[in-house]
Amino acid sequence: QVQLVESGGGLVKPGGSLRLSCAASGFIFSDYYMSWIRQAPGKGLEWVSYIRSSGSIVYYADSVKGRFTISRDNTKNSLYLQMNSLRAEDTAVYYCARARAPFGTSYGYWGQGTLVTVSS
Amino acid sequence: SYVLTQPPSVSVAPGQTARITCGGNNIGSKSVHWYQQKPGQAPVLVVYDDNDRPSGIPERFSGSNSGNTATLTISRVAAGDEADYYCQLWDRSADLFGGGTKLTVL
Repeated sequence: QVQLVESGGGLVKPGGSLRLSCAASGFIFSDYYMSWIRQAPGKGLEWVSYIRSSGSIVYYADSVKGRFTISRDNTKNSLYLQMNSLRAEDTAVYYCARARAPFGTSYGYWGQGTLVTVSS
Repeated sequence: SYVLTQPPSVSVAPGQTARITCGGNNIGSKSVHWYQQKPGQAPVLVVYDDNDRPSGIPERFSGSNSGNTATLTISRVAAGDEADYYCQLWDRSADLFGGGTKLTVL
């Protein structure tokens, strides 16, 4: 069965960095685009970044552009999010999500999330 | 930039029909997806591409999309349907989510 397991969250000071990982299993990782989606405490869902199946195309939300970098290693079935210059407003649960199908724009599978807290 | 507007809350009695809307400029020309999220859990896809259901999602969940409004309809609402619901679509190199609607079962 499809499994997505995020790791790497924690407490970091403003201006600091953190790298999130998402370990994927149960499917051919290189066939699917992936995204990071976050949810601030008590708030709604906010898309953060997207990466094409090959890794050749990436997109970012304006709120993280220039500070976050998405990447993937299809040989390790892993997705990453490098987060730099973190701000208090980046505090959220970060989910990795897999496309429902190789083509289409919905997310059929989500991890359980990893909490990132940015505070001094 | 494109904005998706959802009502903050919808209330319905058990056994009745709940309709949750998602408004956007000419949203009928885009593919809309819907997610259910219960407290402390990750979101679950309940409707994709306007009106298709993933396997395992009850037929009670359906969707429609026309003009400036997409709608998630939940028939014969049960206590277990109480959750937050989000619409989502892809628009010009970005994913967008609506603000979410809290469904309360009275």
